[in-house]
Amino acid sequence: DQQVKQNSPSLSVQEGRISILNCDYTNSMFDYFLWYKKYPAEGPTFLISISSIKDKNEDGRFTVFLNKSAKHLSLHIVPSQPGDSAVYFCAASSGGYNKLIFGAGTRLAVHP
Amino acid sequence: GAVVSQHPSWVICKSGTSVKIECRSLDFQATTMFWYRQFPKQSLMLMATSNEGSKATYEQGVEKDKFLINHASLTLSTLTVTSAHPEDSSFYICSARAEKLFFGSGTQLSVL
Repeated sequence: DQQVKQNSPSLSVQEGRISILNCDYTNSMFDYFLWYKKYPAEGPTFLISISSIKDKNEDGRFTVFLNKSAKHLSLHIVPSQPGDSAVYFCAASSGGYNKLIFGAGTRLAVHP
Repeated sequence: GAVVSQHPSWVICKSGTSVKIECRSLDFQATTMFWYRQFPKQSLMLMATSNEGSKATYEQGVEKDKFLINHASLTLSTLTVTSAHPEDSSFYICSARAEKLFFGSGTQLSVL
């Protein structure tokens, strides 16, 4: 039973446009959500997070939106850059960094 | 940011042998480290939580006698895959918690 789902395995976006990566979850006890970025042969690196008391968190080109009623969150990257090409993982937990549950990832390709 | 070093980055071994993977927090002390594994095109699955000075906590379905975890110091946790079989072939990633959760670069294990 997948508690965190990223239904799009891949996404292709033109440089300069907005990238929107989606994530759905089923466990209503999750109260902390994170996005990680992963390049091949490297470990994931933290990108941005949001707690369940907020519905939006912004950090530079990256914004995460949380819709608790729909159990849905999304990561917006604008403008997208070729260096953003990577696999993006959505993760959730009930209580900070303990026992993160990851989605399967979405591969983002930003092309010129 | 904090650095987590994982070694080796890849290993090939014969079926029936044991493989040790090291995870080090280089510039911070980590009382808790986490071990994940990832099969191709799937999400990172938490295997166990490694606690310095005490026994690891294993997730349901993970054999503690097969995946031995030792967290003998505040900067080092090791995962030993004992009597490895081809189905143990996977990408193993450790993480350690500082102010955020930082990941190692992962170990690709291939069991022949």
